[in-house]
Amino acid sequence: KAGVTQTPRYLIKTRGQQVTLSCSPISGHRSVSWYQQTPGQGLQFLFEYFSETQRNKGNFPGRFSGRQFSNSRSEMNVSTLELGDSALYLCASSLEVRVQETQYFGPGTRLLVL
Amino acid sequence: GENVEQHPSTLSVQEGDSAVIKCTYSDSASNYFPWYKQELGKRPQLIIDIRSNVGEKKDQRIAVTLNKTAKHFSLHITETQPEDSAVYFCAAFYGSSNTGKLIFGQGTTLQVKP
Repeated sequence: KAGVTQTPRYLIKTRGQQVTLSCSPISGHRSVSWYQQTPGQGLQFLFEYFSETQRNKGNFPGRFSGRQFSNSRSEMNVSTLELGDSALYLCASSLEVRVQETQYFGPGTRLLVL
Repeated sequence: GENVEQHPSTLSVQEGDSAVIKCTYSDSASNYFPWYKQELGKRPQLIIDIRSNVGEKKDQRIAVTLNKTAKHFSLHITETQPEDSAVYFCAAFYGSSNTGKLIFGQGTTLQVKP
């Protein structure tokens, strides 16, 4: 099976702009989680989607949002970008037969906000 | 609260030596504790995980131990090789049977010197 894919891989934006990142899970996986990775804060949970519903959300401002489509592909959106949003954004998919399933990560989208 | 502390932040060993990384978690973590390895510029990859119905799990040169009473779990790598050099993250699952999230430790940069 193909692994988790994310597009685009690299992105440069300026403050105030918005950005949309995409994640395609492993075929058959129905849960997608998003994480922000920065050198200072490590891997931080953003939100998790299952069957097009957001089931869980981390402690990020409302500028961070997401959605999931019927084919389990997911997008996350960041509006009104700030310099501090520069990070590697990782998504991970899991089968979700049970909640505590192994999460498989994508390669990430590296976002630079100037 | 939901918190995972990981130590040490950096670890340097000679090839062939053992490496141990320790994590502690706060009260509300449930029973799933994975470890991920992230090589420079690559995605985090699961190397081993443990569920709270067992105290130890081993996979070749890698083992994980879990002490539920003390709320800590550790990664043990024996006979280290240069290709083991990477950042290692522990994580704990917080949530219920229907939803939850992985909370990650801050990471340990392991350097194996040839």
